[in-house]
Amino acid sequence: GENVEQHPSTLSVQEGDSAVIKCTYSDSASNYFPWYKQELGKGPQLIIDIRSNVGEKKDQRIAVTLNKTAKHFSLHITETQPEDSAVYFCAASISDKIIFGKGTRLHILP
Amino acid sequence: GAGVSQSPSNKVTEKGKDVELRCDPISGHTALYWYRQSLGQGLEFLIYFQGNSAPDKSGLPSDRFSAERTGGSVSTLTIQRTQQEDSAVYLCASSLVGQGDEQYFGPGTRLTVT
Repeated sequence: GENVEQHPSTLSVQEGDSAVIKCTYSDSASNYFPWYKQELGKGPQLIIDIRSNVGEKKDQRIAVTLNKTAKHFSLHITETQPEDSAVYFCAASISDKIIFGKGTRLHILP
Repeated sequence: GAGVSQSPSNKVTEKGKDVELRCDPISGHTALYWYRQSLGQGLEFLIYFQGNSAPDKSGLPSDRFSAERTGGSVSTLTIQRTQQEDSAVYLCASSLVGQGDEQYFGPGTRLTVT
């Protein structure tokens, strides 16, 4: 069925290092791939998104790459800071819905 | 401007009781979504309203769950005869146009069924 797989479920990185979260999707017709950040006690918030007509998008320390052939996309956070600690969700448009991955809990270690 | 608001923020109810959760979307947003987030889990799609179209109810887990959106604005998610497995955070989101558009999430309602 329609599916978005996200890995890893938990990630710990040293402050200043980079973090990478990877997702795969099942529907080749998917064309919109947002990433959301959820801080404790809050709703998710969009941090970056990419559409299928581009392979990479960057916004300051955050970048997303998309490989449509392999049906996977990744979030890259460089120079991580304590405020990057949160749960990150990838998502993909599948049919007429947005399907979310199960999330990655990112811990930034001092 | 004001974001998506949800009420109550927390709800504790006894098994078997009915509950109503409210969502006020951002003014002018035509699309509204409900999701369920169980502890440590991802976002489970429940229902999607788009303008005056019939809602997409394909994510509702049982017939105990229902939702309405009155006047294209406020939405209410109703859970009848609550069960302990209904305990979760219920998140509402709205977007300007629909799928493929940024979704703005509310803070959620934490439901605990005892």
